[in-house]
Amino acid sequence: KAGVTQTPRYLIKTRGQQVTLSCSPISGHRSVSWYQQTPGQGLQFLFEYFSETQRNKGNFPGRFSGRQFSNSRSEMNVSTLELGDSALYLCASSSTSGQSYTEAFFGQGTRLTVV
Amino acid sequence: SQKIEQNSEALNIQEGKTATLTCNYTNYSPAYLQWYRQDPGRGPVFLLLIRENEKEKRKERLKVTFDTTLKQSLFHITASQPADSATYLCALEDSNYQLIWGAGTKLIIKP
Repeated sequence: KAGVTQTPRYLIKTRGQQVTLSCSPISGHRSVSWYQQTPGQGLQFLFEYFSETQRNKGNFPGRFSGRQFSNSRSEMNVSTLELGDSALYLCASSSTSGQSYTEAFFGQGTRLTVV
Repeated sequence: SQKIEQNSEALNIQEGKTATLTCNYTNYSPAYLQWYRQDPGRGPVFLLLIRENEKEKRKERLKVTFDTTLKQSLFHITASQPADSATYLCALEDSNYQLIWGAGTKLIIKP
């Protein structure tokens, strides 16, 4: 069974630009969560999608948005990039959401560098 | 305020010894707690999940304890090997069923 796939692996963008990151979850998984990770910081939760609906959202500005498609693939968009957005962006899929939360399976992440 | 804390300093352990990592939390009442391993530049990998009614969980050389009174989980690796060197993250579920993560502890096993 294929794991979680994130594309691209690496990305360099200029301040003010926008970026779209993609995540394909494990087949059959309907929950996709996005995280931002910077050196020395824990995983910072961005949002979770389940069956195309955003179920939870973290404390990030509106520049960060996402969506999920009917095949459970998810995209994350960051507009008007700032230097502080440089980070490893991780996507995790899970078979369930809510009260039956189980282990999360992570992709390898997208390393975004804003210059 | 709600916090989940792991020792931010790297833990250096001699090969063959037992490594013990700590995860403390405040103002949460999690139903369970999870431990993950993360290697540089990669996503975390699930290791163990322990529920609030379980005192201890084992998997091969790994052992996790969960003390809801102390609000603490301990993660042990016995007979440690250099290949165990990585950052270890703990995570718990908050009241919104969202996973909250510690910043991780870097473990270095010296040959």
